[in-house]
Amino acid sequence: AQTVTQSQPEMSVQEAETVTLSCTYDTSESDYYLFWYKQPPSRQMILVIRQEAYKQQNATENRFSVNFQKAAKSFSLKISDSQLGDAAMYFCAYRSAGGATNKLIFGTGTLLAVQP
Amino acid sequence: DAGVTQSPTHLIKTRGQQVTLRCSPKSGHDTVSWYQQALGQGPQFIFQYYEEEERQRGNFPDRFSGHQFPNYSSELNVNALLLGDSALYLCASSLVAGAGGNTIYFGEGSWLTVV
Repeated sequence: AQTVTQSQPEMSVQEAETVTLSCTYDTSESDYYLFWYKQPPSRQMILVIRQEAYKQQNATENRFSVNFQKAAKSFSLKISDSQLGDAAMYFCAYRSAGGATNKLIFGTGTLLAVQP
Repeated sequence: DAGVTQSPTHLIKTRGQQVTLRCSPKSGHDTVSWYQQALGQGPQFIFQYYEEEERQRGNFPDRFSGHQFPNYSSELNVNALLLGDSALYLCASSLVAGAGGNTIYFGEGSWLTVV
């Protein structure tokens, strides 16, 4: 069975600074997808960024980028130029590539505070 | 373009009662999944519906059941409610075509409190 671990329950960053959130996972599959979701107080899960395991290039989306280390099973999220609106709970998630499945396996989340 | 919509937003039930939560998927989506998110935890997969059938199920008892209608909307039913069922219930939708490559969209959830 696949597992996702987020070892940082809480993180804090100053506005305009950079912060990195950590995530490790365990799987025996070779093809899969990894995601970072943001959950603000409104509770709606918002996709921040995704990474296909077969791609060696790290995904980037504006101020958000990942460091994907497949051999180490590590998938960290870097937020550059942090903004007050980035404050939220961040979840790392895993999804198998095979089959028509919507099953996401989530970590326990990291609560990010952004200090003005 | 309407996203994933869920109802009700909040509800309070008594132990032993039954509850029904509703979800309308994002326009054009044909697959619906349900997740349970306890306070301070990540969401846990309950089950997935496609073509009106349960296709995959997580580690949840039979008290949790669901249904998908021809218009792709879905219901989650929980019978014999326990205090431990208190959680945020999230509905997610996607297109089955393309499988894991497709983005999953979430609704804002239904907060269930069991007293």
